[in-house]
Amino acid sequence: AQKITQTQPGMFVQEKEAVTLDCTYDTSDPSYGLFWYKQPSSGEMIFLIYQGSYDQQNATEGRYSLNFQKARKSANLVISASQLGDSAMYFCAMRERGSQGNLIFGKGTKLSVKP
Amino acid sequence: AAGVIQSPRHLIKEKRETATLKCYPIPRHDTVYWYQQGPGQDPQFLISFYEKMQSDKGSIPDRFSAQQFSDYHSELNMSSLELGDSALYFCASSDRLAGLGETQYFGPGTRLLVL
Repeated sequence: AQKITQTQPGMFVQEKEAVTLDCTYDTSDPSYGLFWYKQPSSGEMIFLIYQGSYDQQNATEGRYSLNFQKARKSANLVISASQLGDSAMYFCAMRERGSQGNLIFGKGTKLSVKP
Repeated sequence: AAGVIQSPRHLIKEKRETATLKCYPIPRHDTVYWYQQGPGQDPQFLISFYEKMQSDKGSIPDRFSAQQFSDYHSELNMSSLELGDSALYFCASSDRLAGLGETQYFGPGTRLLVL
């Protein structure tokens, strides 16, 4: 079974608007961490934001925020005021306490920002 | 800030040849992870090292081996290369003592093409 599900293969958003990228996860481990990475066409993987399973508040990093709904097992990424440079692949990833630290990735969402 | 360094950035090999990929983690990071990302795919975990010992093993073929050296740099050795080994190979480093919130910072990747 997929541990990380990203149901949107591709998304379009108008420049300066906000966009939400969906991510649901599946784990029986009560301790886990959720991560979002951005991969531009150049290929590098850029860390964006982290949410721990016991964190009481949603994580925020500049224009990025994470809408964490633990009961629904969802960790959606919200990008506010989209910029042309936000066009990229976005991967949601999880690490479980029971693992040795390796990340499990979703299939990714390709975001295209329109001028 | 110093980032993860990978070399070479691009590599072209023939079938059945060998290849060695190198990774230099962020200073003071004690953990290294290797991931393989096929075309249009999400990254898949191969192997990890913590304090120079193998920490975990993922979907790494028996033809591949890796190690972490005393200066914490790591090398991924690939033998009897196959066409299907063509992929982007990422190294990521982290500070294991950071716990569940330990963030993996990725290098720029080595793009391997097997002809």
